[in-house]
Amino acid sequence: GAGVSQTPSNKVTEKGKYVELRCDPISGHTALYWYRQSLGQGPEFLIYFQGTGAADDSGLPNDRFFAVRPEGSVSTLKIQRTERGDSAVYLCASSKFAGDYGYTFGSGTRLTVV
Amino acid sequence: QQQVKQSPQSLIVQKGGIPIINCAYENTAFDYFPWYQQFPGKGPALLIAIRPDVSEKKEGRFTISFNKSAKQFSLHIMDSQPGDSATYFCAASMKAAGNKLTFGGGTRVLVKP
Repeated sequence: GAGVSQTPSNKVTEKGKYVELRCDPISGHTALYWYRQSLGQGPEFLIYFQGTGAADDSGLPNDRFFAVRPEGSVSTLKIQRTERGDSAVYLCASSKFAGDYGYTFGSGTRLTVV
Repeated sequence: QQQVKQSPQSLIVQKGGIPIINCAYENTAFDYFPWYQQFPGKGPALLIAIRPDVSEKKEGRFTISFNKSAKQFSLHIMDSQPGDSATYFCAASMKAAGNKLTFGGGTRVLVKP
């Protein structure tokens, strides 16, 4: 596609529920990144993929967070047993390859845990 | 060692003024320093970027100044316009680490007409 697409744009869920956030990168981009942006702060790195494999997941806060990219294109960020502190905007970005400086971000998914 | 510190948190200027945003980093292995502009409800968009072997870079009305010895860099917005009102983030990354970005805390800039 023309840009990075993230769905849903907004998600409200109850504490303890499971959520999935989807990212559709720019066609042909092999690197895909997830960031989390809390209100009034800069984005924080979560995980990035080169192709299908997670190359660096050091930013995932705990084992409730997991991400996959089974076919090297679309990625899904999964959050189990959501907590109110998980409320944030989850941003996805892609680039031609890991190490390429041409990042493009999506508009994000705003997750609210009530 | 991964921190990027950004100041000020907010800035108000009159149209035509020059907002200046400053960032400092700690990790000397960083090799790429971009600035992003973010409007409400949108993702960050790359504005301009610099490598540490260059002391200044200009693109249109945006200029980055880079001081490698002080581990500091700044963004100047020349002839600022109301449409420049947005939140600006500095960031840093290493190609060897897959170019994952470490962001500053952001500066909210308001340009008054």
